[in-house]
Amino acid sequence: IVLTQSPGTLSLSPGERATLSCRASQNIRSNFFSWYQQKPGQAPRLLIYAASSRAVGIPDRFSGSGSGTDFTLTVSRLEPEDFAVYYCQYFGTSSPPNTFGQGTKLEIK
Amino acid sequence: VQLQESGPGLVWPSETLSLTCTVSGGSVTTYHWTWIRQPPGKGLEWIGSIYYGGTTQYNPSLKSRLIISMDTSKNQFSLQLESVTAADTAVYFCAGDKFTTAWSFYWGQGTLVTVSS
Repeated sequence: IVLTQSPGTLSLSPGERATLSCRASQNIRSNFFSWYQQKPGQAPRLLIYAASSRAVGIPDRFSGSGSGTDFTLTVSRLEPEDFAVYYCQYFGTSSPPNTFGQGTKLEIK
Repeated sequence: VQLQESGPGLVWPSETLSLTCTVSGGSVTTYHWTWIRQPPGKGLEWIGSIYYGGTTQYNPSLKSRLIISMDTSKNQFSLQLESVTAADTAVYFCAGDKFTTAWSFYWGQGTLVTVSS
């Protein structure tokens, strides 16, 4: 399974809506799909698991959706602290069983 | 639950990279654990996982050089990667979750390991 994220870089302003995409090379189970946020010098932070469930402590402006091969992370109204790199992840039965997308950088316009 | 990686920051080529993750605030036997690495300026790569019962799962690209283990007496889990090259230079993260290895809620801060002579 290869996860391809788009766009590579997304330039938006605070207050705007962000839509990040992750496409799988074949149908995958949404139960094992997740999204992370990573800021410079920090470990990734789990945002969304099972495609659409928010992790503990994640604001409700973050939402995940999708099934099959197409998954989306939406940030409804960007806050200054949301500008970071976002990764999608999938765990399945293919080899390797756990894989990440290449990341989308969300930068301030 | 808090995680802390420890180990040498510099490893010679062809030697073995050894890292330990110390778990506090929870038992190493009740969570699933994962190692992930990130080469400088690049994306995340899953290295492997160990389930709370001790079963391991490795990235096939690293499997021949890799051992992930758990030390319940020290509440730690560890990574050993043999015959390292410059391509193994990365920030290494330990991570874990109560319910699955599919994702990780808990993360260490990461430790940079450089392979160089």
